[in-house]
Amino acid sequence: GENVEQHPSTLSVQEGDSAVIKCTYSDSASNYFPWYKQELGKGPQLIIDIRSNVGEKKDQRIAVTLNKTAKHFSLHITETQPEDSAVYFCAARFGNEKLTFGTGTRLTIIP
Amino acid sequence: DSGVTQTPKHLITATGQRVTLRCSPRSGDLSVYWYQQSLDQGLQFLIQYYNGEERAKGNILERFSAQQFPDLHSELNLSSLELGDSALYFCASSTQRLAGLREQFFGPGTRLTVL
Repeated sequence: GENVEQHPSTLSVQEGDSAVIKCTYSDSASNYFPWYKQELGKGPQLIIDIRSNVGEKKDQRIAVTLNKTAKHFSLHITETQPEDSAVYFCAARFGNEKLTFGTGTRLTIIP
Repeated sequence: DSGVTQTPKHLITATGQRVTLRCSPRSGDLSVYWYQQSLDQGLQFLIQYYNGEERAKGNILERFSAQQFPDLHSELNLSSLELGDSALYFCASSTQRLAGLREQFFGPGTRLTVL
């Protein structure tokens, strides 16, 4: 089955700097890659997603890039703010199969 | 607020007991998914229901079962509880059976503690 690896497990970034979280997946047939943000005491919230026919997608300060050849995708957060502090999960899915999640990255924004 | 509701928010019980977790999907969503989140294993998919029928199964133990009712709410039943079952249990919903085409919206979760 699908395996998703996520790095780093923890990341501390100075406020205003950029943060990058990387994931690799094993199933080359995967075609949907969402990113979720989970704040303390809450459920994961979808923040951005990308499909395999697209190489990059941006939404304000958040962007995701996909390299199908290398089977990895990354989350980029620019101009980080304290409210960006959370745990971020990547995931991968083929068609209508189940989502396979990475192990999460705890992002801390240092004021 | 995702529109997905889960009850109870917290549940404390003893080993060997049985509990039921409840989930109400977003209005109009036919698919419900259950996930287990533990410290050492991240988010693990348990099971999916679509319009009352089981659609997909993940790493769900035989001691666990679920169902989706005609009003589309779902219940996850956990029996013969063990210490290792302590975790956050999330429900998510999406609009279509072919959920690969639609994002999943997560509820706030139920924190289960088995003593």
